[in-house]
Amino acid sequence: DGGITQSPKYLFRKEGQNVTLSCEQNLNHDAMYWYRQDPGQGLRLIYYSQIVNDFQKGDIAEGYSVSREKKESFPLTVTSAQKNPTAFYLCASSIASGSSYNEQFFGPGTRLTVL
Amino acid sequence: DQQVKQNSPSLSVQEGRISILNCDYTNSMFDYFLWYKKYPAEGPTFLISISSIKDKNEDGRFTVFLNKSAKHLSLHIVPSQPGDSAVYFCAASDGYQLIWGAGTKLIIKP
Repeated sequence: DGGITQSPKYLFRKEGQNVTLSCEQNLNHDAMYWYRQDPGQGLRLIYYSQIVNDFQKGDIAEGYSVSREKKESFPLTVTSAQKNPTAFYLCASSIASGSSYNEQFFGPGTRLTVL
Repeated sequence: DQQVKQNSPSLSVQEGRISILNCDYTNSMFDYFLWYKKYPAEGPTFLISISSIKDKNEDGRFTVFLNKSAKHLSLHIVPSQPGDSAVYFCAASDGYQLIWGAGTKLIIKP
């Protein structure tokens, strides 16, 4: 089955530790995205990548880092510099960015709690 | 400044009646609009979309209307069913990324 997987579903970390969230897709999509959702708010874009080895900052990139070494994978690292890391993180992919048709397909999300 | 606004955080509708969810945008360069549905602790799923060259798009019980002059779109669900209870997000495309509204929580009452 084609889709996007995110692991783990729940993640707990101590304050000051870096943590990496996994996102894998087998849809052969070029573009991938990371969003953050906080209670009662919409999705806010952290980073996006249109092609392998290239990525751009979204609206709230501070305290996060990404890599795109493979088309299928777009891991997100939440660093200790991120002031409020506790949130629900969503990964998405689309056929291509730079296109007016931009339906995005989402993974199930990872809920990160920093203690 | 929010470019896509969903001014109603929640909406309660009787089962079988029509649900109308609203969305306003400010950027006239947006050329494609999408509605997503989200259940708690899950990722959003695509529901229906509309191109800026159209003013209406239907898919079963779901219809999206676009009023470009007013920079307003709405999602109509008729008849509303219990499984429609979810958060609905409006999103607008500028060709490179989606700009999302804050969502409207729809509650369908029995």
